[in-house]
Amino acid sequence: DIQMTQSPSAMSASVGDRVTITCRASQAISNYLAWFQQKPGKVPKRLIFASSSLQSGVPSRFSGSASGTEFTLTISSLQPEDFATYYCLQHNNYPHTFGQGTKLEIK
Amino acid sequence: QVQLVQSGGEVKKPGASVKVSCKASGYTFSSYGISWVRQAPGQGLEWMGWISGYNGNTNYIQKIQGRVTMTTETSTSTAYMELRSLRSDDTAVYYCARSGLVGATYLGVYYFDYWGQGTLVTVSS
Repeated sequence: DIQMTQSPSAMSASVGDRVTITCRASQAISNYLAWFQQKPGKVPKRLIFASSSLQSGVPSRFSGSASGTEFTLTISSLQPEDFATYYCLQHNNYPHTFGQGTKLEIK
Repeated sequence: QVQLVQSGGEVKKPGASVKVSCKASGYTFSSYGISWVRQAPGQGLEWMGWISGYNGNTNYIQKIQGRVTMTTETSTSTAYMELRSLRSDDTAVYYCARSGLVGATYLGVYYFDYWGQGTLVTVSS
């Protein structure tokens, strides 16, 4: 199974900060990587698909990039509504696997 | 518009079975797969498995293989996930999500773009 190592597991940041979250795959997954945002009690929301394509309707402050087996979600300027938990997901191979999640809290 | 509507919450005793439904609308059901994802209280997301809306092919994670069956009913555009021999650690919110377009599985845009609202399954004696 492909392991997705997501870091950090938690972080605190301030409104306006630039934030980076990373997922490293244990083997090549091409660009079959998506990022999700989840708020408490809510359904996960896809932000990025195909490692770097922005979901329609998602603010442009969110971006995704890839370098080999390392994938990055960047929020260029944190807004109050961005405080949530973020997950990566690889769907190149079965079983699909999620990262452990990154809880982003207000500093 | 695309919608996935799941059945309501369930409370089950250990050893029982639960069957969760996911009714799709707004797209051609047989052209896509459905994944099931669960989330235990306070925990992360766990992908459980996938079923093709086209031919019913399935793929499950090993830890629940033998206890889970995913099926579809094309006539009603509904996917089902049945989990048997329930244990307390099966307590979770279960989600269905659209997962892959037949003939275009290389297109990431069609994976996990739409989700059901979630179904809480509580296993307790």
